Amino acid sequence: DGGITQSPKYLFRKEGQNVTLSCEQNLNHDAMYWYRQDPGQGLRLIYYSQIVNDFQKGDIAEGYSVSREKKESFPLTVTSAQKNPTAFYLCASSLTSGNQETQYFGPGTRLLVL
Amino acid sequence: KQEVTQIPAALSVPEGENLVLNCSFTDSAIYNLQWFRQDPGKGLTSLLLIQSSQREQTSGRLNASLDKSSGRSTLYIAASQPGDSATYLCAVLYNFNKFYFGSGTKLNVKP
Repeated sequence: DGGITQSPKYLFRKEGQNVTLSCEQNLNHDAMYWYRQDPGQGLRLIYYSQIVNDFQKGDIAEGYSVSREKKESFPLTVTSAQKNPTAFYLCASSLTSGNQETQYFGPGTRLLVL
Repeated sequence: KQEVTQIPAALSVPEGENLVLNCSFTDSAIYNLQWFRQDPGKGLTSLLLIQSSQREQTSGRLNASLDKSSGRSTLYIAASQPGDSATYLCAVLYNFNKFYFGSGTKLNVKP
């Protein structure tokens, strides 16, 4: 089955700890995205990547980092600099970065702070 | 700053009713607008995508319209079913894949 997988489903972070969220797609899509969703709010863009080895900051990139070493993988690291990391994190991909492309979403990772 | 607003925040209707969800956006220079469905604790599923040059799109019981000049889109759901219960999000694309999302309308269709 083609699609986007995210792991883990739930992630617990201790204060001062960096954690990494996994996102993998087998859709052969060039573009990938990370969003953050807080309760009762819409999604906000953290980072996006239009091609391998390239990525751009979104609206709320502070305290996060990403890499895009492979086309199918776009991991997100939540660093200790992110003071309010508790949220639902969604990864998405699209065939290209063109304006006619729809985005396909993974099932999400819920990050909680211990 | 681009803002996307969805009204109402929540809606409860009896099964079989036709309903309309609203989305408004502040900047009319959009590339496209998408409607998504989100089930509790899950990712988003794309329902309809309307290009800026289009006025509406239809898929089954769903019809989405776009009025760029007034900064509005509506999602019409015909003959609602309990399985339609979910949160519906609209997202507006302005440039280079920067989607701006509304906060969603939580729909409950009662059997």
